[in-house]
Amino acid sequence: EIVLTQSPGTLSLSPGERATLSCRASQSVSSSYLAWYQQKPGQAPRLLIYGASSRATGIPDRFSGSGSGTDFTLTISRLEPEDFAVYYCQQYGSSVTFGPGTKVDIK
Amino acid sequence: QVQLVESGGGVVQPGRSLRLSCAASGFTFSSYGMHWVRQAPGKGLEWVAVIWYDGSNKYYADSVKGRFTISRDNSKNTLYLQMNSLRAEDTAVYYCARETIVGATHAFDIWGQGTMVTVSS
Repeated sequence: EIVLTQSPGTLSLSPGERATLSCRASQSVSSSYLAWYQQKPGQAPRLLIYGASSRATGIPDRFSGSGSGTDFTLTISRLEPEDFAVYYCQQYGSSVTFGPGTKVDIK
Repeated sequence: QVQLVESGGGVVQPGRSLRLSCAASGFTFSSYGMHWVRQAPGKGLEWVAVIWYDGSNKYYADSVKGRFTISRDNSKNTLYLQMNSLRAEDTAVYYCARETIVGATHAFDIWGQGTMVTVSS
């Protein structure tokens, strides 16, 4: 099973700042099978990025994904108030696993 | 609009069974693979099971294999999760999710609102 590790566990930032979230896999993951989700309290997850770097429908361009192999990054260029949430990476290879999440909270 | 609505959650004693349903609308249900994902209180997301668009293949997380069964009725646009021999550690919000395939990519693009399952005596 591919294990995903996300860092940091919590990121404390102010609106307008840049957020950089990391997702590291225990073995190589095809970029086609790496996705990022946002989850707010009491809500279902929402797809942000698929194929490591493609934005899902309706996702603002301040969200971007990059990476390959075992290291992937989600970047939020300028945090808006609605971006404070938990972010999960996911791989869909031989099975499906999620990372433990990174919480982005207000500094 | 495109929507998934789960139902069937509740409080159940350890060792008992429960069946969850996920009603799909606004898209051609029979064209999509479907998944169940759960989230224990205050914890992260855990994938549970997948069923192919035509029901021909099913795969499970090791934590539920042999106890849970995923199925679908494409004539009713409904996904199911039969949960047997429930344990306290199965307590979670259960989400159904649609798998989208764009080119070679796979992701879960539509999620239901979730249904809570509590296993407690």
